[in-house]
Amino acid sequence: GAGVSQSPRYKVTKRGQDVALRCDPISGHVSLYWYRQALGQGPEFLTYFNYEAQQDKSGLPNDRFSAERPEGSISTLTIQRTEQRDSAMYRCASTSGASSYNEQFFGPGTRLTVL
Amino acid sequence: QQQVKQSPQSLIVQKGGISIINCAYENTAFDYFPWYQQFPGKGPALLIAIRPDVSEKKEGRFTISFNKSAKQFSLHIMDSQPGDSATYFCAATRTSGNTPLVFGKGTRLSVIA
Repeated sequence: GAGVSQSPRYKVTKRGQDVALRCDPISGHVSLYWYRQALGQGPEFLTYFNYEAQQDKSGLPNDRFSAERPEGSISTLTIQRTEQRDSAMYRCASTSGASSYNEQFFGPGTRLTVL
Repeated sequence: QQQVKQSPQSLIVQKGGISIINCAYENTAFDYFPWYQQFPGKGPALLIAIRPDVSEKKEGRFTISFNKSAKQFSLHIMDSQPGDSATYFCAATRTSGNTPLVFGKGTRLSVIA
């Protein structure tokens, strides 16, 4: 079966532009997480969903970042008015259950570069 | 505030040797401690995990040792192989309330022949 997919894999944008990053979780997975991973660092939590409901957005750096999962499947992370400091690898992960101890299956990530 | 501290940052081990990576946590409410393995260009993948009701968990060549009083846990890779060369992340979370995973900064392991 297919794993978690993300698109685009690479995104280069100019400062001030908006970007939308897509995550397609494993079919039937309940929870979906978004992380940001800087080079040489571990994944840093941004937000997560159970089905279509956003459960925790405490990790979103500021109000330029938002996420949605309208039908409980595909999710989009949107960054408005991008800044150079937003450059990073953005990863999503999905789990079959809604518990913290469910294995998280990570996607390949989207490498965002803001010029 | 770094809730999970991981060391060393990088590690070079001879083939056949033992690789040891250490993590320390601060939040005593954490009760689930997974280790993730990440190869270049790939996302992290769950390797092994432990809960604090046991002091050790072994799966093949991989063992987690857990010290609740010291708030520390470590990953041991026995008979390390070149194919084990990857970045390893420890993580921690509280299973009640569906708290997100908190990751360490990672250890880059190189196993040389």
